[in-house]
Amino acid sequence: GEQVEQLPSILRVQEGSSASINCSYEDSASNYFPWYKQEPGENPKLIIDIRSNMERKQIQELIVLLDKKAKRFSLHITDTQPGDSAMYFCAAIDTNAYKVIFGKGTHLHVLP
Amino acid sequence: DTTVKQNPRYKLARVGKPVNLICSQTMNHDTMYWYQKKPNQAPKLLLFYYDKILNREADTFEKFQSSRPNNSFCSLYIGSAGLEYSAMYLCASSIGTASAETLYFGSGTRLTVL
Repeated sequence: GEQVEQLPSILRVQEGSSASINCSYEDSASNYFPWYKQEPGENPKLIIDIRSNMERKQIQELIVLLDKKAKRFSLHITDTQPGDSAMYFCAAIDTNAYKVIFGKGTHLHVLP
Repeated sequence: DTTVKQNPRYKLARVGKPVNLICSQTMNHDTMYWYQKKPNQAPKLLLFYYDKILNREADTFEKFQSSRPNNSFCSLYIGSAGLEYSAMYLCASSIGTASAETLYFGSGTRLTVL
């Protein structure tokens, strides 16, 4: 079935450095790629997304890149802060279908 | 209010017993979903309601039921819980048919089957 591979599963970075999470997908019909952040004890929340007509999108310290040919997309957090410590989920979606296929998640730890 | 509420937060159930989980949202969203999340696994879509129409995933078709008596409320029902049902159950909602819309998640119900 359709899968989204997300790596790494655990990521530890020093405060102030950057963090990168990579996802790949199988379904070439996927055209929408959201990222969700889940803080401990909280519900997952959308933090940034990118559609297939874009290659790069930035919201403050969050950058997402999309390579449609390689079927890969990534999240980059620049200047990480303790508040960035959380679980991050990527997803790939075919907007003509109903399915949201999530990756397994990346547990980001920002170390002081 | 952009919250999705789930009750209870934690649920203990015995093998073979039924389980009913509850979700509500007041955003007037058309679509409500139930996901199952196990450790080290991706959230797995179990079923969703678009308005009054229930769609269940093929591989979980017989394991889960749901009802949506009104726009705000959606339940997930397990007729006979097995150990493999132990997981976090996440409810979510979205405007419209969802695929391109933001999902608003609840905090989840952690179900433990003993």
